Amino acid sequence: GNSVTQMEGPVTLSEEAFLTINCTYTATGYPSLFWYVQYPGEGLQLLLKATKADDKGSNKGFEATYRKETTSFHLEKGSVQVSDSAVYFCALGSVGGAQKLVFGQGTRLTINP
Amino acid sequence: EAGVAQSPRYKIIEKRQSVAFWCNPISGHATLYWYQQILGQGPKLLIQFQNNGVVDDSQLPKDRFSAERLKGVDSTLKIQPAKLEDSAVYLCASSRGNTIYFGEGSWLTVV
Repeated sequence: GNSVTQMEGPVTLSEEAFLTINCTYTATGYPSLFWYVQYPGEGLQLLLKATKADDKGSNKGFEATYRKETTSFHLEKGSVQVSDSAVYFCALGSVGGAQKLVFGQGTRLTINP
Repeated sequence: EAGVAQSPRYKIIEKRQSVAFWCNPISGHATLYWYQQILGQGPKLLIQFQNNGVVDDSQLPKDRFSAERLKGVDSTLKIQPAKLEDSAVYLCASSRGNTIYFGEGSWLTVV
């Protein structure tokens, strides 16, 4: 079945550091891929998405590229801020029909000033 | 545009008691989901509705969990009787198209 594997956390970085959170997936067909973010005490918020191979999703300085050849959707940001501290979830959508998400286990990111 | 509304935000109950969570999706969204998120894990789909019909409830523990979506809008998720392992955040979400939007969640602690 479909599955998502995320880089294990927690991840701790200093402000202005470069961020990469790895995400790989297993799926049949060409599913949509998503990154969601969960700030402390809040629900999940969509950060970015890509719906086909080679698409790049971007938002708030974060980027991720849908790589079909490596079945990956790694999240990157060039210069992180303290306010980026949160849990990040990679998710796989279903192919066709009503959308259904399969999530990775989440990566907790802490940014120190 | 108003987001997905959930209540209550927090609930503490004793094991074997019952609890109900309510969800109001984004206006016009035909698909509604309930996810369970246990601490330290990613959310897991419990049930998916399309309008007021069930699309997928394969991971819903039907001996204790039930959900309904009357009139294809609001939805209620019930747990009876609760177990300690049901302690989690219950996330309601809705979608139209290929993007799913989540509510803030209902945090359940079973003691």
